[in-house]
Amino acid sequence: LAKTTQPISMDSYEGQEVNITCSHNNIATNDYITWYQQFPSQGPRFIIQGYKTKVTNEVASLFIPADRKSSTLSLPRVSLSDTAVYYCLVAPSGSARQLTFGSGTQLTVLP
Amino acid sequence: DSGVTQTPKHLITATGQRVTLRCSPRSGDLSVYWYQQSLDQGLQFLIQYYNGEERAKGNILERFSAQQFPDLHSELNLSSLELGDSALYFCASSGRDARLLSEQYFGPGTRLTVT
Repeated sequence: LAKTTQPISMDSYEGQEVNITCSHNNIATNDYITWYQQFPSQGPRFIIQGYKTKVTNEVASLFIPADRKSSTLSLPRVSLSDTAVYYCLVAPSGSARQLTFGSGTQLTVLP
Repeated sequence: DSGVTQTPKHLITATGQRVTLRCSPRSGDLSVYWYQQSLDQGLQFLIQYYNGEERAKGNILERFSAQQFPDLHSELNLSSLELGDSALYFCASSGRDARLLSEQYFGPGTRLTVT
């Protein structure tokens, strides 16, 4: 079971790029890395998922080094509405027992 | 709007009681997941159903049970409620790819308060 470690909180300013790193030293060969965003009292929202190297979509980029022991979620030019908790998830495909949300990172974007 | 609906939005009940939470997945999604989120435990996976069959179990108490019906909606039954069961309960659904971490769409949640 791959445990994840993320910073508890981060502050940033509007317009800046934010990078949130997740450590997952025990990641297994068939594990995928997924990031979710959650606003207070709302359900988490899928942001991005990857296996290796770099994945980019209209919202964020996900960087995964070759050893896959960590991953970095990059949010370009954040705005106040990006203030939320961001969760890093690591789990094998096709096996639900290990699905675990960590404590997440509270990102606060300041004006 | 994720397309996943949950009812009711809020539920207040007493200890020892039984409640049923309902979830309708996105149109076409076959997998339904239930999660519990409390202040001290974070977001915990409870159980997954795929096309009517239980696919995976997480930290679900024996007092809790779930099912998925032929129309793919799901119900989570919580019985012998305790104060510690007070939490937000989320339902999520995902597409026809049975792989667990295919993109999951979460509903707005049901806030359960046990008094």
